[in-house]
Amino acid sequence: AQTVTQSQPEMSVQEAETVTLSCTYDTSESDYYLFWYKQPPSRQMILVIRQEAYKQQNATENRFSVNFQKAAKSFSLKISDSQLGDAAMYFCAYSRGGADGLTFGKGTHLIIQP
Amino acid sequence: KAGVTQTPRYLIKTRGQQVTLSCSPISGHRSVSWYQQTPGQGLQFLFEYFSETQRNKGNFPGRFSGRQFSNSRSEMNVSTLELGDSALYLCASSLTASGSINNEQFFGPGTRLTVL
Repeated sequence: AQTVTQSQPEMSVQEAETVTLSCTYDTSESDYYLFWYKQPPSRQMILVIRQEAYKQQNATENRFSVNFQKAAKSFSLKISDSQLGDAAMYFCAYSRGGADGLTFGKGTHLIIQP
Repeated sequence: KAGVTQTPRYLIKTRGQQVTLSCSPISGHRSVSWYQQTPGQGLQFLFEYFSETQRNKGNFPGRFSGRQFSNSRSEMNVSTLELGDSALYLCASSLTASGSINNEQFFGPGTRLTVL
């Protein structure tokens, strides 16, 4: 079974600084998809960024970028120029593309210090 | 385009009762997935429906069931409620079934179920 591990239960960063959230996963598949979701206090899950495993180029979305290391099974999220609105729980998720739904990590609580 | 809607947003039930939660996907989306979120277990996949057919189910007891209607709206039912069923239940819709390359899932705001 696939597993997703987020080793940082909580991270704190100063506003305007850069922070990196870690995620590792375990799978025997060669093709799969990885995601970072943000869940603010409203509990609404919002897709931040996604990466297809067959693409070597790291995905970027404005201030959000990933460092995808397929051999190491690592998928970290970098948030540049942190803003107060970035404060939320961040979940790393895996999908092998089958009808198994998403497998989520336990989440990282990101605190932005003004 | 309206997002995923879930009703009700909050629900309080007692042990032994049953409950039905509803999810209306984004217009045009044919796939609906359900997830349970608890502080202890995190986010866990319940099941996915596509074109009125359950495609897969997570590791949950038979008390958890669901269905999807021809308009893609989905309901999930939990019978004989237990205290441990207290959770945030999230549904997510996508244009196509899981397994498709562009299967981005859009989540609803969730239904908070409290079992007393």
